[in-house]
Amino acid sequence: QKEVEQNSGPLSVPEGAIASLNCTYSDRVSQSFFWYRQYSGKSPELIMSIYSNGDKEDGRFTAQLNKASQYVSLLIRDSQPSDSATYLCAVFRGNTGKLIFGQGTTLQVKP
Amino acid sequence: GAVVSQHPSRVICKSGTSVKIECRSLDFQATTMFWYRQFPKQSLMLMATSNEGSKATYEQGVEKDKFLINHASLTLSTLTVTSAHPEDSSFYICSAAPFGAGSYGYTFGSGTRLTVV
Repeated sequence: QKEVEQNSGPLSVPEGAIASLNCTYSDRVSQSFFWYRQYSGKSPELIMSIYSNGDKEDGRFTAQLNKASQYVSLLIRDSQPSDSATYLCAVFRGNTGKLIFGQGTTLQVKP
Repeated sequence: GAVVSQHPSRVICKSGTSVKIECRSLDFQATTMFWYRQFPKQSLMLMATSNEGSKATYEQGVEKDKFLINHASLTLSTLTVTSAHPEDSSFYICSAAPFGAGSYGYTFGSGTRLTVV
């Protein structure tokens, strides 16, 4: 079992729709969770972090965390073609300081 | 804040030569930096953890004699790909965070596209 798992997609949504990206993790003691966005040919950019159960909203982005289910999600409201990218879920491993990444989900927003 | 600069952004080298990639933290000190490699359409693969003033720690399967890491100051880590071969062609990215702030997320450099011909 991979430590962080994501569906690789592609996930295709029409412009204006809500895109829902999901991630599961295996280490129950994980405390810090991140979503990075990576455009083709570019390096990852941190867009959301979440540390406690529930929802965290930032503009059109909402991160959701459920530690009991070991599940993290990212919702993108009013999706735009510029949101088309690969979204990487990452979990911070406190004992080593490492970020463990999922394989990423490719999102395509069609005009 | 937390800006990470990586240089060069692109490099083409001949097979058998060595290439050095620099990663700098511009507005903070980083005792630890991380080096990743990413092949096309694949996820980030952590190669090694660069530790200021001490040896790097390498992930399983990464050849430490081929990928030399030096972290001589609190703001600079370098990755040298020695005796590069076409299979080393990849996107190399570093990341860092201020000391103790890793749990708040790491910042990535802009990456280096290495092509070995």
